[in-house]
Amino acid sequence: NAGVTQTPKFRVLKTGQSMTLLCAQDMNHEYMYWYRQDPGMGLRLIHYSVGEGTTAKGEVPDGYNVSRLKKQNFLLGLESAAPSQTSVYFCASEGRTYLSTVLTFGAGSRLTVL
Amino acid sequence: RKEVEQDPGPFNVPEGATVAFNCTYSNSASQSFFWYRQDCRKEPKLLMSVYSSGNEDGRFTAQLNRASQYISLLIRDSKLSDSATYLCVVKGGGGADGLTFGKGTHLIIQP
Repeated sequence: NAGVTQTPKFRVLKTGQSMTLLCAQDMNHEYMYWYRQDPGMGLRLIHYSVGEGTTAKGEVPDGYNVSRLKKQNFLLGLESAAPSQTSVYFCASEGRTYLSTVLTFGAGSRLTVL
Repeated sequence: RKEVEQDPGPFNVPEGATVAFNCTYSNSASQSFFWYRQDCRKEPKLLMSVYSSGNEDGRFTAQLNRASQYISLLIRDSKLSDSATYLCVVKGGGGADGLTFGKGTHLIIQP
């Protein structure tokens, strides 16, 4: 089924460790996003990409890096994890037409930093 | 003033009742509006787009009021399965990517 796939779904890290979250979409969308969701905070944009080879900062980019080497993949990296990065991370891709725009989200990645 | 505001709730509503909630936005240049539904520990999914003339999808009706800068969602004959958090999304609302999310309204349908 077409959609957005995130890996891993769960991960526990120790402070200072690094990791990469992978987002893959098979809908040929140009726009891709990484959000984090925390209780009472709603969805906050970390980084986004408007096409292969391009990335831009969102609302809360500090402590994260991203890459979009291939159109279908958008990677989110944590170089040195901190407890404040404990969160649920959602990737989304966006299909745009003249009349509408639809965000399709991945199932989420739950990250705990101890 | 926050860009997109929603009453967080929770709204506790008996099964079969009608419930409505609003979302206000601050940027008058906003172009497109959406309601997303998010179940507990799941990803958000598009419920419906909101068109200028208002639109209906089964038991769900969405309205846009540009003059007062709010959108609304009405759910008729509510079902237990309607329990979820409803996110208002505004495009062209000033976010870095042009998309701004409300924090959501939590709805609980009670038997």
